[in-house]
Amino acid sequence: GEDVEQSLFLSVREGDSSVINCTYTDSSSTYLYWYKQEPGAGLQLLTYIFSNMDMKQDQRLTVLLNKKDKHLSLRIADTQTGDSAIYFCAESNNNDMRFGAGTRLTVKP
Amino acid sequence: EAQVTQNPRYLITVTGKKLTVTCSQNMNHEYMSWYRQDPGLGLRQIYYSMNVEVTDKGDVPEGYKVSRKEKRNFPLILESPSPNQTSLYFCASSPAEGLYNEQFFGPGTRLTVL
Repeated sequence: GEDVEQSLFLSVREGDSSVINCTYTDSSSTYLYWYKQEPGAGLQLLTYIFSNMDMKQDQRLTVLLNKKDKHLSLRIADTQTGDSAIYFCAESNNNDMRFGAGTRLTVKP
Repeated sequence: EAQVTQNPRYLITVTGKKLTVTCSQNMNHEYMSWYRQDPGLGLRQIYYSMNVEVTDKGDVPEGYKVSRKEKRNFPLILESPSPNQTSLYFCASSPAEGLYNEQFFGPGTRLTVL
């Protein structure tokens, strides 16, 4: 089946930039997403990008999409301790949605 | 406030004892689904429903049942729970199938089956 893969852990210092990477295999993906999950909470949609876009910026968040390589990244500028969470990459086509395993971001003061 | 609610939030049970996890949304969404989240595996879809009385299997439906008698409710039923169903469960809803960018998630139900 189709897969979405991401590294499981990332640790950064407060104030640095964080870059979380994701690769996927479904060439028919129409949208790609980044979700944030804080401890004890559900998934919160952070941002999403349509598959014909290369980049999307929203305040401290920058999403880059390389459709040829099927690579998606989320950059968080000026990372704060409140950004510590699990970040899920996901992709969807017209039929279903697939999630990566999640990257646990730890922000050290 | 637009939301998806799940009950209970935490449940510890024993093998074979039937249980139901409720899910309710107040947004008049047509599409609802259940996921389970396991370490290292991300979220996997169990069942989904495109509308009242319309349900279908997701990627991991074995051992689960669902029903959609009303638009707002989508309960997940475990007729005979087993330890491999110990997991974190999320209900989600969106206005229609495919509109995942408008999908809301519930807070999760942590289930332990002994």
